[in-house]
Parts: sequence; C-alpha cells; structure tokens
Amino acid sequence: EAQVTQNPRYLITVTGKKLTVTCSQNMNHEYMSWYRQDPGLGLRQIYYSMNVEVTDKGDVPEGYKVSRKEKRNFPLILESPSPNQTSLYFCASSYGRLGTDTQYFGPGTRLTVL
Amino acid sequence: QKEVEQNSGPLSVPEGAIASLNCTYSDRGSQSFFWYRQYSGKSPELIMFIYSNGDKEDGRFTAQLNKASQYVSLLIRDSQPSDSATYLCAVKRGNDMRFGAGTRLTVKP
Repeated sequence: EAQVTQNPRYLITVTGKKLTVTCSQNMNHEYMSWYRQDPGLGLRQIYYSMNVEVTDKGDVPEGYKVSRKEKRNFPLILESPSPNQTSLYFCASSYGRLGTDTQYFGPGTRLTVL
Repeated sequence: QKEVEQNSGPLSVPEGAIASLNCTYSDRGSQSFFWYRQYSGKSPELIMFIYSNGDKEDGRFTAQLNKASQYVSLLIRDSQPSDSATYLCAVKRGNDMRFGAGTRLTVKP
C-alpha cells in the first residue's frame, strides 16, 4: 500500500529535550515536506526536500532541522523544543516534477512541549 | 493580509444542497491551486487541483479559478453528511505551497 508514515503519532515532552519525528514514504517520491498545523493559521511549511541531500527552508524553519540521507526518509529534528512548537505536524511527499503534483500526507504527529 | 484567505466558517448547508467554498490569494505569480479535504483528526487529502482559468469538474466537485480576481472556489453539488469536514485551499508557485486556514463545512441531514 502506497503511504507516508510518521512516528510517533503522539508525543509529550519537556522544554529542551531533543526529539526526532520520523517520516518515511514507499512511493519513490523525490519531493518531501514538513508542515505544522495550528488553529487559525492553517498548514505552514517548515522544510522541504527536492531529493537526497537537497533541503530548503519553508516559511517557519526556526527551531527545526531536517536531513535527507535516503530518498524514502525525511526526519524532522527539534534540537531544543520549546512550548511554541506544540503543534500538529504533517509530513508529505510527491513526485515533485509538476506544478500540479499531488502531495500525499502522513497521518500526523501531535506534539506537546511542556 | 494573509497570503491565502478563506472564510473559517462554519458553513452549514442542508443535505442535497450546493456548498460553495471560496478562497482568495495574494501572489499573482501563483501557478497551481488545490483543494484538500481534512476530516477532524485526520490528514489532508486532495480533492482536486486547477491551474487554468475557468471551471474544472470532477464528479460532484467543481473548482473555479479566476486569476485576474485572484480567486478560486470549490462547489460541492448534492452535499452529503459525509462531506462535513474542513476544506483547505492551497496555492503553489514553484516549490512554494501556501495553505489557507480552511473552511469548516457541516452538511445537515
């Protein structure tokens, strides 16, 4: 089954404790992206990657890191989480070649930073 | 001014009616326009996209695009209770995709 998976689905942590949210896709997509979703603000792009070892900042990259060492994986790293990073996070992937390319979203990770 | 604006709703329509969802955007260089549906607690799923002025129909859904007015809409005909969800408008320019905050639609039986 074609899918984007994220782990963990739910995470409660404390300020300053490094964490990683994993994202994996099995569709051989080149383009992968991370979003956060907050009430009233919609989905905002954090980082995206056009291919292996190619990443770029989105709208709200501060406080986040990413890496793309393999085509299928695109982990999101919070080196020192803060309460304002409490949010719902989505990973998405697509073939990335066309402007009308469909993005497939993962199930989401709900993060709470105390 | 937000880059992609949608009425947050809630928009309530009776079953069988036409639901009309609207979206305006600020970037005149935007190239592609998407409508996603998001059920509560779930991830967004693509309904349809449009990139040329005019209408595009897919089943009960029709997307309408007017680039001169920077306006894109989604019509849902014969609305069903299962259409109750939040609808997200997304606008893309190159690799940059911007989402609106979404309109919550409720279809009452």
